[in-house]
Amino acid sequence: QVQLQESGPGLVKPSQTLSLTCTVSGGSINTDSYFWNWIRQPAGKGLEWIGRISTSGSTNYNPSLKSRVTISVDTSKNQFSLKLRSVTAADTAVYYCARAPTLLVEPTAIVGSFDVWGQGTMVTVSS
Amino acid sequence: QSVLTQPPSVSGAPGQRVTISCTGSSSNLGAGYDVHWYQQLPGTAPKLLIYGNTHRPSGVPDRFSGSKSGTSASLAITGLQAEDEADYYCQSYDSSPYVFGTGTKVTVL
Repeated sequence: QVQLQESGPGLVKPSQTLSLTCTVSGGSINTDSYFWNWIRQPAGKGLEWIGRISTSGSTNYNPSLKSRVTISVDTSKNQFSLKLRSVTAADTAVYYCARAPTLLVEPTAIVGSFDVWGQGTMVTVSS
Repeated sequence: QSVLTQPPSVSGAPGQRVTISCTGSSSNLGAGYDVHWYQQLPGTAPKLLIYGNTHRPSGVPDRFSGSKSGTSASLAITGLQAEDEADYYCQSYDSSPYVFGTGTKVTVL
């Protein structure tokens, strides 16, 4: 079955750029059946959707983060990536990558959910 | 900036039934979008528990059930077990396009 694994630095300095990669294994990322997402969770707090990408390169971002976020995909490596610019302590969180089925997936009731998640990676913003 | 509101905590004794509410608005649940539920055990990633309002993925026990009506949804756990102690989140579609609930901690007494 498909598995997702986040990777990247665990410590980023304020004002710098946070960069993470999600590697997809057990299946191809190059399919119209899924969107590929980033979600984060500050310690002791709830989940916040950051953004998503399709393998055609189409992106959508959370309006609250849109000015600082870029998500890209590399189908040759079966990976997608997150860049978050100008980070502050408020960006300290566990970052998850997750898969979201599109209307091409059955049953259609699962569309709009996040059916597979990575284990998460902790990123601390500190000097 | 969650737009889906959940109670911060609910608790119950083993074997009891607990319910978690998820209240949205006319731009998400009230617009007809489905609600999905996730279980997050301590120190782990969220896991899809209920999709499309009422459906359980393979492997999820049938003591978990979901419902939706208008701008609200509910997750019920019947026959509460110690292993159900976790955080639970609802999630739906909105203009963002995805939004999560504020989260509910379930404590087994």
